[in-house]
Amino acid sequence: GAVVSQHPSWVICKSGTSVKIECRSLDFQATTMFWYRQFPKQSLMLMATSNEGSKATYEQGVEKDKFLINHASLTLSTLTVTSAHPEDSSFYICSANKGNYGYTFGSGTRLTVV
Amino acid sequence: QKEVEQDPGPLSVPEGAIVSLNCTYSNSAFQYFMWYRQYSRKGPELLMYTYSSGNKEDGRFTAQVDKSSKYISLFIRDSQPSDSATYLCAMERTTDSWGKLQFGAGTQVVVTP
Repeated sequence: GAVVSQHPSWVICKSGTSVKIECRSLDFQATTMFWYRQFPKQSLMLMATSNEGSKATYEQGVEKDKFLINHASLTLSTLTVTSAHPEDSSFYICSANKGNYGYTFGSGTRLTVV
Repeated sequence: QKEVEQDPGPLSVPEGAIVSLNCTYSNSAFQYFMWYRQYSRKGPELLMYTYSSGNKEDGRFTAQVDKSSKYISLFIRDSQPSDSATYLCAMERTTDSWGKLQFGAGTQVVVTP
C-alpha cells in the first residue's frame, strides 16, 4: 500500500504565533507532496505543491510567505502557518502519489487559531 | 461554473441498498478519475482510481467513467452503516497539472440500519 502520516492531528494556537504541520510518506519515497485546505462543509482546495530539494509552487491566491513549505527529504514535507490568524483556522491535509496506488492522503490537521 | 459538479446530498439509503453517486465535469482534459471516502475530521481515503472509460470493480465498489458524456459514477453494493461518510470525486489533468486534483463538493451518504 501507500501510507502517509500527518502530525499533529489537531492544534490550537494563539493569534500571531506559528504552527508547523508534518507530512511523512511511511513506505515510499515522495519527491512531490501536495498540501490542501478544507473549510467546513466544503471540498478540498489545493494550496501548494511541495518539491523535494526545491521551492514549493503555490496556487493562485495562496500567500507563500504565510504558508511556508519545506520538503527537505524524500519522506518529509512540512507546512508552517506563520503569524496565524483566526481566518487561517481550517483542516489542512497533505497527499503524495505512489505510482499506481494513486494519491494517498494524510489524516489531516485541524488548526484552530484563537 | 465549477469544473466538477457533485450533488452534496445528503443521500439516505437503507442498509443493504445500492448507493449511487455521480459527478459531471466540463473539462475534457481530465484523464484520471478517483473516488474518495472521507469520514468526519479525517483525511480522504482512496476507494477507486481509474483512467479509461468503462467499468472498474473492487469488492462492493464499482466505478464507471464515460468520457464522452463527461460523467463518472460510483456504486456501492450491499451498503452498511459504516459506509456513512462523505464521498468525493476527484479528477486530474496530466499534461500540465500533474498531481493537482480537482475535487467535487462531496456527497454525504447516510446508511440507516
